[in-house]
Amino acid sequence: QSVLTQPPSVSAAPGQKVTFSCSGSSSNIGNNYVSWYQQLPGTAPKLLIYENNKRPSGIPDRFSGSRSGTSATLGITGLQTGDEADYYCGTWDSSLSAGVFGGGTKLTVL
Amino acid sequence: EVQLVESGGGLVQPGGSLRLSCAASGFTFSSYSMNWVRQAPGKGLEWVSYITSSTGTIYYADSVKGRFTISRDNAKNSLYLQMASLRDEDTAVYYCARETRYSDTWYLDYWGQGTLVTVSS
Repeated sequence: QSVLTQPPSVSAAPGQKVTFSCSGSSSNIGNNYVSWYQQLPGTAPKLLIYENNKRPSGIPDRFSGSRSGTSATLGITGLQTGDEADYYCGTWDSSLSAGVFGGGTKLTVL
Repeated sequence: EVQLVESGGGLVQPGGSLRLSCAASGFTFSSYSMNWVRQAPGKGLEWVSYITSSTGTIYYADSVKGRFTISRDNAKNSLYLQMASLRDEDTAVYYCARETRYSDTWYLDYWGQGTLVTVSS
């Protein structure tokens, strides 16, 4: 089991909006910033969001992030078929002294 | 352009050893902490280990503690992962990743393409 909890899958139609949840605890999400990673099929993970809601250069503003308490959310608007991927949340766990990830959520664009 | 290129993966028998390497370019390697993250076939990401820029601090996941050793050579812009006493469950693609960390922030901003390690008899 992963330290961070994510639903295994989510689906939505092209052009729609989708959200991904990530649940943790006070030792990780509750006291450390959350990052999100996109892993397209057959490729390495790519940083999508850092410090809860900041986008690296080149990431479109269709992608957004937020954190509340011990949970975090990734949102994607204007869904495209090219967004089909696995999405992972991650952060540092201060009690474990370890990086932790969620189990990932697979996005299907119908 | 930041590039991380892993090598050294392959097929190894249970109980065997393997050394992974990660060649870094496009940034000042000696200024950044580095991590190894692995992904078993069809599974999610699992953080493995972390080393600070000056090798002053090292952390390991409990699943590899005592069996894996992370190291780096800043003169060669290279990161390493020495793996010993390998088990079937260590089979995975191993990624090296550059870290950004300050205060309560930690994230991995660049990842290599990964190298596959298969532990099987």
